[in-house]
Amino acid sequence: DIQMTQSPSSLSASVGDRVTITCRASQSISTYLNWYQQKPGEAPNLLIFTALNLQSGVPSRFSGSGSGTDFTLTISSLQPEDSATYYCHQSHSTPQTFGQGTKVEIK
Amino acid sequence: QVQLQESGPGLVKPSETLTLTCTVSGGSVSSGRYYWSWIRQPPGKRLEWIAYIHYTGTTNYNPSLKSRVAILIDTSKNQFSLRLSSVTAADTAVYYCARAIGGAGFALWVPDHWGQGTLVSVSS
Repeated sequence: DIQMTQSPSSLSASVGDRVTITCRASQSISTYLNWYQQKPGEAPNLLIFTALNLQSGVPSRFSGSGSGTDFTLTISSLQPEDSATYYCHQSHSTPQTFGQGTKVEIK
Repeated sequence: QVQLQESGPGLVKPSETLTLTCTVSGGSVSSGRYYWSWIRQPPGKRLEWIAYIHYTGTTNYNPSLKSRVAILIDTSKNQFSLRLSSVTAADTAVYYCARAIGGAGFALWVPDHWGQGTLVSVSS
């Protein structure tokens, strides 16, 4: 199985800050990397698919980049509603696998 | 807007078979554009992809669960279901059903719209 490792596991930032979350795959997954946002008690919400494509309805402050094994999710200006856990997800090989999550808190 | 809703028992005894159903509204499971997925999340752990199915019957399973899992689709009811046999405490999780997108530019099908999830506990 492809192992997905995110860093950091948690972070605290202020409203308006630029926030970056990284995800590393244990082998190359080309650009088959997706990002989800999950708030407590809710289902995951797809933010970015195939590394850099913004899902419809997702604010443009979210962006993704990377290819191969190293990927980044960036929130350009953190908003209060962005407090959540973020997961990366590889859809390159079966079984699809997820990162352990990055919890983003607002200072 | 498509909506998905999981239903099933909240408590299952060890060694029994868990059956969950996902009812889809605002869309059709017979649409060839999508696959239909199950994903679970044990308490405090990461998400785990289980399987997906196309209305034509094409399936893909997580090899770690394949011997115990079956995913089925009922186009007449606009539902799909998950059966997990010989459950243990390790199968305790929130189970999500989801629609999955794919095609050109994708390798595998990616869950985009998810149900709210249903907690299943395995205990005697």
